[in-house]
Amino acid sequence: AQKVTQAQTEISVVEKEDVTLDCVYETRDTTYYLFWYKQPPSGELVFLIRRNSFDEQNEISGRYSWNFQKSTSSFNFTITASQVVDSAVYFCALSTHSGAGSYQLTFGKGTKLSVIP
Amino acid sequence: DTAVSQTPKYLVTQMGNDKSIKCEQNLGHDTMYWYKQDSKKFLKIMFSYNNKELIINETVPNRFSPKSPDKAHLNLHINSLELGDSAVYFCASSQVVMDSGMTDTQYFGPGTRLTVL
Repeated sequence: AQKVTQAQTEISVVEKEDVTLDCVYETRDTTYYLFWYKQPPSGELVFLIRRNSFDEQNEISGRYSWNFQKSTSSFNFTITASQVVDSAVYFCALSTHSGAGSYQLTFGKGTKLSVIP
Repeated sequence: DTAVSQTPKYLVTQMGNDKSIKCEQNLGHDTMYWYKQDSKKFLKIMFSYNNKELIINETVPNRFSPKSPDKAHLNLHINSLELGDSAVYFCASSQVVMDSGMTDTQYFGPGTRLTVL
């Protein structure tokens, strides 16, 4: 069975602080994909990043960076110099093959980030 | 242009009624999904369709029936609505590259907030 754990339910930081959101996953598949999605207060789900299980290179995109460590089954997300607009619920998700051309996303329970001005 | 659209955005109805939520994607994807997000923000897959064929059917009451008239549409029909059906329903789509082990990102619609009174 697939499982994604986001142990931090809520985090509050003051603007300009750095913050790391943790994600730990479980799967028996050797090929899988990891994602982060952002859900701002307006409610939509915004795709942030996708990594496959064979690519452990860390990635940086502006103030966002991701650290994928297969040895610890973790895919952590860091926001540098946080801003109020970063306030949202962030979901980590694991994608595994469900058969016949379909990939099932298993979501963590989300981490609610509040950035205080 | 909106990539994945859902209508309506809000749906308020009485217990026992039948209702439908429509989803359309203009990304040319061949796989579409329905997810349910409960009041605690937990996201769980309900159905997956690939090329108009049902692939995933999680443990969902048979009052929920997905219908896919073509690759670009996946509608969700709900019979005999119950209080517990109140949630946000998200449609998503992705392109799967068959036999390659590759999956593309799932892009989500804006969600439909269903309230059953």
